[in-house]
Amino acid sequence: DAGITQSPRHKVTETGTPVTLRCHQTENHRYMYWYRQDPGHGLRLIHYSYGVKDTDKGEVSDGYSVSRSKTEDFLLTLESATSSQTSVYFCAIRGVLRPEAFFGQGTRLTVV
Amino acid sequence: KQEVTQIPAALSVPEGENLVLNCSFTDSAIYNLQWFRQDPGKGLTSLLLIQSSQREQTSGRLNASLDKSSGRSTLYIAASQPGDSATYLCAVGQGGSEKLVFGKGMKLTVNP
Repeated sequence: DAGITQSPRHKVTETGTPVTLRCHQTENHRYMYWYRQDPGHGLRLIHYSYGVKDTDKGEVSDGYSVSRSKTEDFLLTLESATSSQTSVYFCAIRGVLRPEAFFGQGTRLTVV
Repeated sequence: KQEVTQIPAALSVPEGENLVLNCSFTDSAIYNLQWFRQDPGKGLTSLLLIQSSQREQTSGRLNASLDKSSGRSTLYIAASQPGDSATYLCAVGQGGSEKLVFGKGMKLTVNP
C-alpha cells in the first residue's frame, strides 16, 4: 500500500469552529489532492497541490483552504465549519513518473 | 468541463457471471484513466491505470479498455465472485491540468 495517512480518522465539531485535516505521505509524490465524498455526488475535488506552496482550487473549494509547506504534508482547513461540510474527506497522492493515484482511508467529519 | 458518467448506478448478478462495467467521459483530452474499487466505509483501492496511449490493461480477472475517440472505458470482470461486491469508480486524468475527475460509481453486488 502507498504510504499515505490521514488524521484524524473521525471528528465531530461544532458549527463555526475551525477544523484542520492532515494528509501525510511517505512516497515523495508531487501531486496531492483533497476530495469530499457525499451520497449522490460522488467524489468532488476540493483543492489540489502540484508542489510545495503550489495549490489550486477544485470544483467545491468555497469554505476550504489548503497549505503545503512540505512535500509530505497537505493540510485542509475549514475556517468556520458548517453543517454542509459534514462529509467524508479523502486525500490522494500521485507521482510524476508513477501517475497512478492512491488514496488515504478517509476522515469522517461531522459538523453539529 | 469534463463529465464522467457510470451507468448503471447499481448492478446485482449471480456468482460466476462475466461482467462489463462502463465509464464514459465528455472530453477526450485525457492523459490517463484509472479504475478503483471502494468497499463500504473504506478508502479507494486502485485496480488498473490506462495511459492515454494504451488501449487496455489487465490484472488477474480484470481487464480495462480505453477508447479515447468515443470517450469510453470498460472494466471487464471475469467469473465474478461474492468478494467482488463493492463500488467501482472510474476517474480520468484531465489533460492540461493535474485534476482527476470521478464518475459517481457503480455499486456491484455478486450473489452466491
